[in-house]
Amino acid sequence: DAGITQSPRHKVTETGTPVTLRCHQTENHRYMYWYRQDPGHGLRLIHYSYGVKDTDKGEVSDGYSVSRSKTEDFLLTLESATSSQTSVYFCAITGGSGNTIYFGEGSWLTVV
Amino acid sequence: DQQVKQNSPSLSVQEGRISILNCDYTNSMFDYFLWYKKYPAEGPTFLISISSIKDKNEDGRFTVFLNKSAKHLSLHIVPSQPGDSAVYFCAASVNYGGSQGNLIFGKGTKLSVKP
Repeated sequence: DAGITQSPRHKVTETGTPVTLRCHQTENHRYMYWYRQDPGHGLRLIHYSYGVKDTDKGEVSDGYSVSRSKTEDFLLTLESATSSQTSVYFCAITGGSGNTIYFGEGSWLTVV
Repeated sequence: DQQVKQNSPSLSVQEGRISILNCDYTNSMFDYFLWYKKYPAEGPTFLISISSIKDKNEDGRFTVFLNKSAKHLSLHIVPSQPGDSAVYFCAASVNYGGSQGNLIFGKGTKLSVKP
């Protein structure tokens, strides 16, 4: 158990509405990540954070923003949701020896 | 262009036999490789990893082999159990692992272990 909690776990929203997904960790990890998983694509990195207020883009960052105002919380925001953002979103942290990524349980987002 | 490829979408094996899942990569800069298992409606679970300075790493029933010259790695599960039925993802990174978290994933192989 990597001590990661994602919320909400399931959400249905309408096109054009803003959506925020929250990732909360309890073990003071420095690095946190947001990935999305789609059929035929495996998992792809959206954004990551290497400390409070320190974030950077991943492979598929367009249409997403993130914020990290405290160590334990990493927020992913879709400013104006589109149907192409229907996906499963996984938060992750670097743990263990510092070389391994551990994932949360996922947030299922449907944009209609 | 896929940097990490899992060319077999599915694999079916008999309980007790060996399962071999394969992964190929194209980026010679990758220096750390990981395998994850994923059940439906759950997050990926870390299984085992290997750095590019090794060619084998073993953990219980799971062994990962790395062939750098062929840019190929494989995951062996011996003996296979019905509870191993899941989707297995291969992932690779540069700069020895997770500090940057930019893992490149394959598309996954669905393993079915039949009793």
